[in-house]
Amino acid sequence: SQTIHQWPATLVQPVGSPLSLECTVEGTSNPNLYWYRQAAGRGLQLLFYSVGIGQISSEVPQNLSASRPQDRQFILSSKKLLLSDSGFYLCAWSVRDASYEQYFGPGTRLTVT
Amino acid sequence: GNSVTQMEGPVTLSEEAFLTINCTYTATGYPSLFWYVQYPGEGLQLLLKATKADDKGSNKGFEATYRKETTSFHLEKGSVQVSDSAVYFCALSVVGTNAGKSTFGDGTTLTVKP
Repeated sequence: SQTIHQWPATLVQPVGSPLSLECTVEGTSNPNLYWYRQAAGRGLQLLFYSVGIGQISSEVPQNLSASRPQDRQFILSSKKLLLSDSGFYLCAWSVRDASYEQYFGPGTRLTVT
Repeated sequence: GNSVTQMEGPVTLSEEAFLTINCTYTATGYPSLFWYVQYPGEGLQLLLKATKADDKGSNKGFEATYRKETTSFHLEKGSVQVSDSAVYFCALSVVGTNAGKSTFGDGTTLTVKP
C-alpha cells in the first residue's frame, strides 16, 4: 500500500532563517506531487506541483522554492522565512495518468516568530 | 477555468441530526468530483468520490451524487455523530489536464454537539 511521510511535524523558526520541509512517498512510482499551504481557518493554497524529477511548477510568487531530487521525494525550501510563511504545509500525491484523487501527508505546522 | 463553491460555515448540529453541505462547481471539461475530510491537526483524507454523472459516492454513512444538470455534488449524512466534527472540502479534477491538479472549495467546518 502507498504511504506518504512529512517531516518535521512541527517547526518554530525565527524570521530570516532558512527552511527545509521534506515529503516522501512509498509504494508508488512516478507520482504527481504537490505542496499546499493552509493558513489558520482557511482553505488550501497550491504552492508547487511536480510531474517528474527536476520538474517544478510554481503556482504563486513567493519566497519559497521546491525541488524534486528523486522520484518520490519532494522538498519545500526557503532561504529567509517571513512571518507570513507561518501555516500548515501539506504534501500530496496523485496517480500521474489518472488525475484523480489526491493523497495527503500528515502536514507540518510551521510557526515563524 | 475551474471553480468550486461550497456552503459557508461553520455548521453546528446536534448528534443524530441530518447533514447537508452544498457544493457547486464550474469546470472546463468533464470533472471527477470529491469530498475530503480534515480532522483537527491532520492532513486531508478522501471521503468519497464520483467520476461520472449520476454516480453516487458513499463512505462512512456519507453520500454525494454527481448532478451534471445542476453542476452540484452535495454531501449528506442521515445521522451525524460527534466524531464527524471536522472540516469538509469539496473538490474537482479534470482527467488528463493540469498535471492532476485539483480545485478545492474553501472548506466547511462542522461541529456536532452531544
